[in-house]
Amino acid sequence: AQKVTQAQTEISVVEKEDVTLDCVYETRDTTYYLFWYKQPPSGELVFLIRRNSFDEQNEISGRYSWNFQKSTSSFNFTITASQVVDSAVYFCALSEGVSNDYKLSFGAGTTVTVRA
Amino acid sequence: NAGVTQTPKFQVLKTGQSMTLQCAQDMNHEYMSWYRQDPGMGLRLIHYSVGAGITDQGEVPNGYNVSRSTTEDFPLRLLSAAPSQTSVYFCASSYDVGRNDNEQFFGPGTRLTVL
Repeated sequence: AQKVTQAQTEISVVEKEDVTLDCVYETRDTTYYLFWYKQPPSGELVFLIRRNSFDEQNEISGRYSWNFQKSTSSFNFTITASQVVDSAVYFCALSEGVSNDYKLSFGAGTTVTVRA
Repeated sequence: NAGVTQTPKFQVLKTGQSMTLQCAQDMNHEYMSWYRQDPGMGLRLIHYSVGAGITDQGEVPNGYNVSRSTTEDFPLRLLSAAPSQTSVYFCASSYDVGRNDNEQFFGPGTRLTVL
């Protein structure tokens, strides 16, 4: 069974629009970690955020923000005032248990295209 | 620090050939992992290691072997390449658990084509 679901396959926006990427996860563990990674066209994976299951505070980092809601098992990611450089594939990932950061389950990814 | 390095960047194999994908890290990380990335499927864990001499299987281990004789290196061996193993392979490493800033550092990837 898919542990991480990213229902949006592709999103296309015009520069300066906001874009929200959905991530729904499934786990029976009470301790788990959620991640977001960015993969630009060059192919490398860029770490964006790691959040543990006990910290439901929303987080903002520049134009990026994350909304973690345990009640709906969601960890959504918003890019505010998008730029062309935000064009990439974005992956949500889950690690289950206390000490399993090295075992990530990834979603299928959402391709974001920002048009000038 | 060079971070996580992978060689080669590109490789073309014929069905049945064997080869080793190299992965090295210079951050003294205990944990290392191999993932494969296929279109529409995200990344899937192949094998992982929690320290020198300790390895275990991930989600899709069939057709691959690993070993970890040193902390720095974690090679991935394809025993008899098949077209289904055409993929992009990523190696990753991370610190020991307990760090609040823990993250997996990924290498640049190896694009493998099996004909």
